[in-house]
Amino acid sequence: EAGVAQSPRYKIIEKRQSVAFWCNPISGHATLYWYQQILGQGPKLLIQFQNNGVVDDSQLPKDRFSAERLKGVDSTLKIQPAKLEDSAVYLCASSLVAGGQYEQYFGPGTRLTVT
Amino acid sequence: RKEVEQDPGPFNVPEGATVAFNCTYSNSASQSFFWYRQDCRKEPKLLMSVYSSGNEDGRFTAQLNRASQYISLLIRDSKLSDSATYLCVVNLGTGGFKTIFGAGTRLFVKA
Repeated sequence: EAGVAQSPRYKIIEKRQSVAFWCNPISGHATLYWYQQILGQGPKLLIQFQNNGVVDDSQLPKDRFSAERLKGVDSTLKIQPAKLEDSAVYLCASSLVAGGQYEQYFGPGTRLTVT
Repeated sequence: RKEVEQDPGPFNVPEGATVAFNCTYSNSASQSFFWYRQDCRKEPKLLMSVYSSGNEDGRFTAQLNRASQYISLLIRDSKLSDSATYLCVVNLGTGGFKTIFGAGTRLFVKA
């Protein structure tokens, strides 16, 4: 079974530039998550989708971050404009459904460096 | 107060030692609980779910105390390969089952 795919794996941009990340979840998984993981910290949930609807985006900095999940499959996360503090690993995860004891499967992440 | 708090690390233990990690959560609406493992520069992977009755998987034992809002992970007979960061994870029972990760506890097992 193919895992969660993410691209690019690495990205270096200057502050105030824009960047986009792509995620393809495991086939059939209804729930998709985007996390931000800053070095030395645990992953912080940015946004959670159930199919193509947003379930939680309370920690998404909406003035600069946006995300969509068209057709309930692939998802993109965009940052515009980037700030130095956005340097982090952006992890995408998916699960069959939300809640219960369902495991979240993570992609390899995109390591973003903002200079 | 953080929603999920873990023991500060790092833990440095010799091979064969028993080590225990603790985690507390603040939201009483929390519904399901997990321990994930994250190797250096890798993505988190599920280690084990945590059930109310406690559960064991080989050398690993997880316990949940809902009254005290406390989760624990015990590793017996530590191996070098157990060196990693252990993340405590809580799913809320409301708001779409929002997931909250702790900051993680680093474990170093030495020969």
